[in-house]
Amino acid sequence: GAGVSQTPSNKVTEKGKYVELRCDPISGHTALYWYRQSLGQGPEFLIYFQGTGAADDSGLPNDRFFAVRPEGSVSTLKIQRTERGDSAVYLCASSVDSNQPQHFGDGTRLSIL
Amino acid sequence: AQRVTQPEKLLSVFKGAPVELKCNYSYSGSPELFWYVQYSRQRLQLLLRHISRESIKGFTADLNKGETSFHLKKPFAQEEDSAMYYCALSGRTSGTYKYIFGTGTRLKVLA
Repeated sequence: GAGVSQTPSNKVTEKGKYVELRCDPISGHTALYWYRQSLGQGPEFLIYFQGTGAADDSGLPNDRFFAVRPEGSVSTLKIQRTERGDSAVYLCASSVDSNQPQHFGDGTRLSIL
Repeated sequence: AQRVTQPEKLLSVFKGAPVELKCNYSYSGSPELFWYVQYSRQRLQLLLRHISRESIKGFTADLNKGETSFHLKKPFAQEEDSAMYYCALSGRTSGTYKYIFGTGTRLKVLA
């Protein structure tokens, strides 16, 4: 079956713009995670969903970042008023349930000019 | 503070030599430990988890709670083991799970 799918694979935009990053998890996976990975660093936890609700959003860096998962499947990470420091690879992962091994997508490479 | 530490950014070994990728963690509780691997041009994927106590692709990792370590070992490295390796933990804190990754170690296996 299909793995975790993330779109777009690359996004280049100007400082101050709004961006949306999409994640399609593996069918049936109830837990979904967003991470941010900067060059030379490991994945940095942002938020995770159990079903439709955000179980933990403590990793979101500030209120410009928001994520939704309205039907418990697809999730969208939204970034308002983008800044150059937001440039990174944004990874999505899903798992059968919390605390189970995570399956990662290929990531979205976001570049803010 | 909760953290995962991988002290080596790069580890180079010759083919057939033993490999040990170090991972130490700090966590107030009983976390679950994982190793993830990312081969060139591929996505991050699970290599092994401590509760499975399996050997995957010849790699093993033992959780040492006394030393708070979860080092990854392989007795004889192969060229196809060259990749980026991340140690990670998950643990339940205040009713929710925390997920923390290390900064990764790049393993290069030389012919």
